[in-house]
Amino acid sequence: KAGVTQTPRYLIKTRGQQVTLSCSPISGHRSVSWYQQTPGQGLQFLFEYFSETQRNKGNFPGRFSGRQFSNSRSEMNVSTLELGDSALYLCASSPNPGEGTQYFGPGTRLLVL
Amino acid sequence: KQEVTQIPAALSVPEGENLVLNCSFTDSAIYNLQWFRQDPGKGLTSLLLIQSSQREQTSGRLNASLDKSSGRSTLYIAASQPGDSATYLCAVYGQNFVFGPGTRLSVLP
Repeated sequence: KAGVTQTPRYLIKTRGQQVTLSCSPISGHRSVSWYQQTPGQGLQFLFEYFSETQRNKGNFPGRFSGRQFSNSRSEMNVSTLELGDSALYLCASSPNPGEGTQYFGPGTRLLVL
Repeated sequence: KQEVTQIPAALSVPEGENLVLNCSFTDSAIYNLQWFRQDPGKGLTSLLLIQSSQREQTSGRLNASLDKSSGRSTLYIAASQPGDSATYLCAVYGQNFVFGPGTRLSVLP
């Protein structure tokens, strides 16, 4: 069974631009969560999607948004990028919210210049 | 608001030692707790999942326990090896996963 995949793996953007990251969950998993990891703040929850609906959202500004498609694939978008958005963005999937092991993808490393 | 802490922040041990990593959480209303390891610059690898109704889980040299009432979990690693060197994170799921800051483990040959 293929694991969680994330594209792209690396990304360099400049301030003010926007970016879209993609996540494909494990086949059969319907819950997808996104996290931001930085050296200073650690792993912080961004949002969780289930059945194309956002279930929960972390404490991030409205510039961070996401969506989930009918095949459970998910995208997250960050608009008007700031230097502080430089981070490793991780996606995780599980069969249903809070159910079973949560499996993580390799992450997308975003650098904002 | 759920808060998760991990002690110690860093640990360096000689190969072969048994060790214990600690995780504490403030809200006992959780569905499960999961332990992960993360190698530098990489994603997270799931080690053990403990459902809220369970007390412990074992996988190979790893054993994790959960005491919901006291808000604590421990990860026991037996006979540590250099390949165990990584950052270990615990996460609790209530409304969503909340992660601790991690314990950075170095196992010296």
